[in-house]
Amino acid sequence: ELKVEQNPLFLSMQEGKNYTIYCNYSTTSDRLYWYRQDPGKSLESLFVLLSNGAVKQEGRLMASLDTKARLSTLHITAAVHDLSATYFCAVALKLTQGGSEKLVFGKGTKLTVNP
Amino acid sequence: ETGVTQTPRHLVMGMTNKKSLKCEQHLGHNAMYWYKQSAKKPLELMFVYSLEERVENNSVPSRFSPECPNSSHLFLHLHTLQPEDSALYLCASSQELGRGTEAFFGQGTRLTVV
Repeated sequence: ELKVEQNPLFLSMQEGKNYTIYCNYSTTSDRLYWYRQDPGKSLESLFVLLSNGAVKQEGRLMASLDTKARLSTLHITAAVHDLSATYFCAVALKLTQGGSEKLVFGKGTKLTVNP
Repeated sequence: ETGVTQTPRHLVMGMTNKKSLKCEQHLGHNAMYWYKQSAKKPLELMFVYSLEERVENNSVPSRFSPECPNSSHLFLHLHTLQPEDSALYLCASSQELGRGTEAFFGQGTRLTVV
């Protein structure tokens, strides 16, 4: 069974600081997703990482994937209050029936950026 | 706005009631999903439909009954629920997850069972 572990689960940081959220997973997968969720809102797709060594950046967020280590990171640079949200990583897993796949999510990291 | 619409947004129901959650997408996707999000557990996959055929039932109790009448609509029929079923129920859709595709989520239905 695929397990996806994120850490930390809670992160409180000051504006302007840098930090990294880690996502480890237990079985082979070559695709990893990062989502953001604001309170009471839906999940918003941030990054799709498709191969070993993939790195994507959007604004103050940068995500990377190391499939050999089964590790993805989400790095936050010079945090601002608007980044406060819960961030989820998810790993694609093939289903036993047909060619369909599903996403298995980590528990999420609740990020609070303080002024 | 992700293109995936869920109704109702909020639902309060008694343990003896029957209700249905609705999900609709017009993104041309061929796979749809129900997830449960509660305070105590991570996002849990409940059901997967691919090309209107159920391809995954993640050990979900029979008091939850999904229905996918066509590729644009997905329902979750609820009956005789328990208070521990109170949670946020999220619908998602995608092309068959493959290289470059991603799942888009609806706003969710906040369900409270009393």
